[in-house]
Amino acid sequence: GQNIDQPTEMTATEGAIVQINCTYQTSGFNGLFWYQQHAGEAPTFLSYNVLDGLEEKGRFSSFLSRSKGYSYLLLKELQMKDSASYLCAVGPGGYNKLIFGAGTRLAVHP
Amino acid sequence: SAVISQKPSRDICQRGTSLTIQCQVDSQVTMMFWYRQQPGQSLTLIATANQGSEATYESGFVIDKFPISRPNLTFSTLTVSNMSPEDSSIYLCSVRLAAQYEQYFGPGTRLTVT
Repeated sequence: GQNIDQPTEMTATEGAIVQINCTYQTSGFNGLFWYQQHAGEAPTFLSYNVLDGLEEKGRFSSFLSRSKGYSYLLLKELQMKDSASYLCAVGPGGYNKLIFGAGTRLAVHP
Repeated sequence: SAVISQKPSRDICQRGTSLTIQCQVDSQVTMMFWYRQQPGQSLTLIATANQGSEATYESGFVIDKFPISRPNLTFSTLTVSNMSPEDSSIYLCSVRLAAQYEQYFGPGTRLTVT
């Protein structure tokens, strides 16, 4: 079966660092994606990992361990505008569909 | 990336009617997809829109309920047929560009069925 788990909600303080975890079990694997979705808006692409290790992109970093079926998104120097839902998605095979997790709602407080 | 537009942005429809949603991309794309996002939930893939052939539907979605057209590489439509309140949702199209792995999403169509 296909299963993607991530925490439902998280809170953090402005200026801090937060790590959002994602574990997955899929019948195939062709990459792990992180998206950001502000309320009432479409998801926007943040990162893509297909090999083990850390990918850094400004304040955001994403890590992947394929053997453990595990990824995390690391957000540094949090800003109020980072309050959003963060969606973990897996490409289970081929280059077609994405399977999304339920999303983690992050609230950043002053 | 690509610039994706959807029409309408929102609509309120009566039970039993149908609504066609349009998705337009500013460049030719290989892959186009339709997703549904029910209130407070994540995205669920409805189907892959194939250019020049029938769409590929995911489990739980059927062509009679969600007919899809894709006449060319920049345009697709999704029809939600014989609507019921359970179809109230946000419908999003997405595209994957050649030589890229990520998908880019349109702004979505917010549908309310009364």
